[in-house]
This record gives sequence, C-alpha cells and structure tokens, in this order.
Amino acid sequence: GNSVTQMEGPVTLSEEAFLTINCTYTATGYPSLFWYVQYPGEGLQLLLKATKADDKGSNKGFEATYRKETTSFHLEKGSVQVSDSAVYFCALKNSNSGYALNFGKGTSLLVTP
Amino acid sequence: EAGVTQFPSHSVIEKGQTVTLRCDPISGHDNLYWYRRVMGKEIKFLLHFVKESKQDESGMPNNRFLAERTGGTYSTLKVQPAELEDSGVYFCASSQVPAAGELFFGEGSRLTVL
Repeated sequence: GNSVTQMEGPVTLSEEAFLTINCTYTATGYPSLFWYVQYPGEGLQLLLKATKADDKGSNKGFEATYRKETTSFHLEKGSVQVSDSAVYFCALKNSNSGYALNFGKGTSLLVTP
Repeated sequence: EAGVTQFPSHSVIEKGQTVTLRCDPISGHDNLYWYRRVMGKEIKFLLHFVKESKQDESGMPNNRFLAERTGGTYSTLKVQPAELEDSGVYFCASSQVPAAGELFFGEGSRLTVL
C-alpha cells in the first residue's frame, strides 16, 4: 500500500537557521508528492508539490525535490523565520487510491527569535 | 472568499452518544473530503463526495459513521454510537480539481469521547 514516513518532531530552531524535514514514501508507480502546512488556529494548506521524478516544488522559500531513486521528498528552507512555526505534513496521491491523500504524521516546527 | 468552515470546533461526549459534525466547503467546490487524525497517528482519508454522491468511501472505519451531503452543498458526518477510539480531529476539505491534489482544509473538529 501507500505510506509516508516523516521525521518525528518537535523540531526547534533559531531564526535564520537551515531547516530540513525528512520525508520518505512507499508507493507503486508514480505518485504525486505534497507538503502541507498547518499554522496555529488554521486549516492545512498546500505549501508545495511535485508530480514527477526530479521535479522541484518551491514556495515561500521552501523547496523539496522528488527523488524516485531514494523515494524521498525532503523539505528544506535556507533561513527560517518565527512565522514558519507550524506543523508540516508530507503527503502523496497515487492513482491506485483514487483522489485520497496519504499523509505522514506531521512534524511540528518551532522557530525561536 | 470564505474558506472551508467546520462546526463544532470541539465536542466532548460520552461513549454511546451521538455526534454530528458539519462542514461547509468553499462555494463552487464540487469535491468534498473527510479526513481524521487520531492522536499520534497520520491523517487518514475517510471519504470523498462529488456533489451529493459518494465517490470513494473506502476509508470509513465502520457502519457507526454516516456521511451525507444533501444537495451537494454542506456535508455532515455522524458518529452513532460513539466509541472511545473515535476521539481525534476530523478535517473536512474541498477542491475544484481533485486530480491536482490541492485540497483546501478547514480547521478541523476535535472530538473527545469519554
């Protein structure tokens, strides 16, 4: 079946530090990969996505590259801000499971001034 | 434009009682989804509506859960009777183009069953 594994949190960083949140997946075929973010008091929102191998998704300074050879989609940001404090969810969508998204457990990020 | 709204934000009930969660999707979004996050676990897919029809209900855990979407607008998710393991956060999401994978989520309804 389809599954997503992401690093457990919480992750605490100082402002301007480099961020990496690891995400690996298990799926047959060629799934699409996503990062969703949930800010405090809000619903999840799409941060970025990649639909095929070697694609790089990017948004708001965040990047993730779809690596089929390592089945990974790690999230990175060069310099985090306090406003990036949130819970980050890696997810995949596979044609063998309709339009359902398979999520990881989420990684909580706290950025301190 | 209003986002996805869910009600109630938090519900505390006794085991064996009934709870109904409501979701109002973004206007014009034919696709509506329910997901659930049990504490410490992944967010799990429950079901997908296209307008008023259930497109995929493969994630519904058992027949104590009933989802409806009358008239293809808002949706309700009823749990009857509730069990302890039903506690968690129930998310609703909507989308225009399901194939794109971009879902717009509500803040979630937290259900606590005592």
